[in-house]
Amino acid sequence: AQSVAQPEDQVNVAEGNPLTVKCTYSVSGNPYLFWYVQYPNRGLQFLLKYITGDNLVKGSYGFEAEFNKSQTSFHLKKPSALVSDSALYFCAVRPSNSGGYQKVTFGIGTKLQVIP
Amino acid sequence: EAQVTQNPRYLITVTGKKLTVTCSQNMNHEYMSWYRQDPGLGLRQIYYSMNVEVTDKGDVPEGYKVSRKEKRNFPLILESPSPNQTSLYFCASSPRTGTQETQYFGPGTRLLVL
Repeated sequence: AQSVAQPEDQVNVAEGNPLTVKCTYSVSGNPYLFWYVQYPNRGLQFLLKYITGDNLVKGSYGFEAEFNKSQTSFHLKKPSALVSDSALYFCAVRPSNSGGYQKVTFGIGTKLQVIP
Repeated sequence: EAQVTQNPRYLITVTGKKLTVTCSQNMNHEYMSWYRQDPGLGLRQIYYSMNVEVTDKGDVPEGYKVSRKEKRNFPLILESPSPNQTSLYFCASSPRTGTQETQYFGPGTRLLVL
């Protein structure tokens, strides 16, 4: 069965410092990987995704994520955190197998708190 | 504006009183899905639909029904709500059912069942 682990319930970082939100996954075959962000009282918004190609994926709001196949990880990063980045972040995985419906699995979410 | 809308946004009800949460998208998306979000459990899929008249169970379908009579609408029906269905519900859509597709989420419906 496929799964996503976000090992940290909460990540605290000072404004201006780099941030990392961790994600590891388990899936049969090659993965498609996604990061979504949820601001308070809002729905999830897409940040970025890895489909194929370059392991470093750049997304919205200055975020990027690195796909590491050997470590089955897809950590979200940003060089300089902003207070406005404070939100709940979800990692998701889907198998890349073609044919039929392929289930998407979300992690439990990591709350990012950027401290002024 | 391209969006997924849900109504109501907040709902308090009592055990056993049937309710429907509506979901509508104006992007002509084929795929639609319902999730519930609970603390410590993340998002769990309730039902999904790959197109009109095509629906299937997700991970936690018990106690829920859906229908997809029109492409744009995907209502979630709780025939006899129970307190364990108190949750935050999200509807989502994507252009096609391919696994690369990004999902677009509605603003959420917070449900309290007493």
